[in-house]
Amino acid sequence: KNEVEQSPQNLTAQEGEFITINCSYSVGISALHWLQQHPGGGIVSLFMLSSGKKKHGRLIATINIQEKHSSLHITASHPRDSAVYICAVFSRETSGSRLTFGEGTQLTVNP
Amino acid sequence: DAGVIQSPRHEVTEMGQEVTLRCKPISGHNSLFWYRQTMMRGLELLIYFNNNVPIDDSGMPEDRFSAKMPNASFSTLKIQPSEPRDSAVYFCASSFNKGGGSYNEQFFGPGTRLTVL
Repeated sequence: KNEVEQSPQNLTAQEGEFITINCSYSVGISALHWLQQHPGGGIVSLFMLSSGKKKHGRLIATINIQEKHSSLHITASHPRDSAVYICAVFSRETSGSRLTFGEGTQLTVNP
Repeated sequence: DAGVIQSPRHEVTEMGQEVTLRCKPISGHNSLFWYRQTMMRGLELLIYFNNNVPIDDSGMPEDRFSAKMPNASFSTLKIQPSEPRDSAVYFCASSFNKGGGSYNEQFFGPGTRLTVL
């Protein structure tokens, strides 16, 4: 079993839909990273959070430390949101700067 | 403001050849990470440096892989000799580590797509 699991693995939506991607982890963590990987391959940091909620534009990330779960929400989705979304955690069981990655969620938003 | 810079962006080489990947971290960042991404294994940490010193190289697959960071603005990842199974995208990332075991947002370079024939 992976330490970080994401669901769904693949998600197809229509433009304008509200999207949720989930991340569950089995280890104690210091913080969690949401990353976006575009079809061209580049990886962009979206959020880093250790509690509560963060919002940036149409993106919202939440984390529940007790339940070991985080969600990434996209409101009013757009085709340009099509990408792979990766959850990664800073585990307390490894050195502070080491990230453990989920397998990613492939999101496709159709016009 | 320049992000993390990697070169080359694409590399095609033949089995047995030496390959050197290069990375320039964001100015002012003191931690540098080398990752490998494959379809089978996803993203994996190979090695990371803090203040130019290798801290964790447990992800380096074998002795064919070596990494150096001679100064705060440059790092190399070398594969010698290269093998077809080394084909992957190699990412470099950097962050500012405030110390005390803190966790810090990482910023990724565009990656180097390596193909070993």
